[in-house]
Amino acid sequence: AQSVTQLDSQVPVFEEAPVELRCNYSSSVSVYLFWYVQYPNQGLQLLLKYLSGSTLVESINGFEAEFNKSQTSFHLRKPSVHISDTAEYFCAVSDPPWAGGTSYGKLTFGQGTILTVHP
Amino acid sequence: GAGVSQSPSNKVTEKGKDVELRCDPISGHTALYWYRQSLGQGLEFLIYFQGNSAPDKSGLPSDRFSAERTGGSVSTLTIQRTQQEDSAVYLCASSLKRGGRRGETQYFGPGTRLLVL
Repeated sequence: AQSVTQLDSQVPVFEEAPVELRCNYSSSVSVYLFWYVQYPNQGLQLLLKYLSGSTLVESINGFEAEFNKSQTSFHLRKPSVHISDTAEYFCAVSDPPWAGGTSYGKLTFGQGTILTVHP
Repeated sequence: GAGVSQSPSNKVTEKGKDVELRCDPISGHTALYWYRQSLGQGLEFLIYFQGNSAPDKSGLPSDRFSAERTGGSVSTLTIQRTQQEDSAVYLCASSLKRGGRRGETQYFGPGTRLLVL
C-alpha cells in the first residue's frame, strides 16, 4: 500500500525568502508523484508532476520539485516566495499503469502543508 | 472551457437523513473520481469511474456510501443514514482518462461541504 508523509503541517516564511515543503512516500512499486495547491476558498489545482525522466520538474510559477528515489522523497522548493503563494500544498502519489493491479490513477495524498507568506 | 462543477456547494443535514451530491465532469473526460477531505483523515480516495468499466469502490468507507455515473458523464454520490463523522468536503475530479502513461491530470471541482448535525 502507498502512503505519503508531509513532514510539516505549517510553514510560515517571510516574502522573498526561500521555502522547502517536504514530502516522503512509501510504495513498493514505481510511482507517479504530484504536488497540488489549494488557494484560500478555491479548489485543488495541479502544481507539477513527475512521471519519469529528469528528476527535477518545474511549474510555471517558479516552484520546482526533485524526485529522489533513494530517499523516496519529492520535496517542493521555491527560491523566493510571494504573498500570493499562501495556500495549502498537498503531495500525492499514484501507481503508473504498468504497476499492475487496478489501483493506478487514483491519488493518495499527504496531510497537507499550509504555507503562509508574511510581508 | 467549463471546469468540474459540483452541487450543492454546501449541505447541512440531520443525522440519519440521506444526501445526494452531484458532480458534472469536464466534457470529454472519461475518468471521474470522488475524494473526501476531512479534518481527521485528510484527503482520501472514495471511488472512481472509467468509461463503461466497473467502478473501483475500494475507498468507500461503508455500505452507506454509493455512487453512480449516468451516461458516462454526471455522477451522484449518495450517503444513506448520514452520521456526524460523514461531515467533510466531498471533492470530485475528472481526467481525460484513468492515469495513463502521461499521468493524466485530475481536475478538481470546488467541492461540496457537508455538515451532519
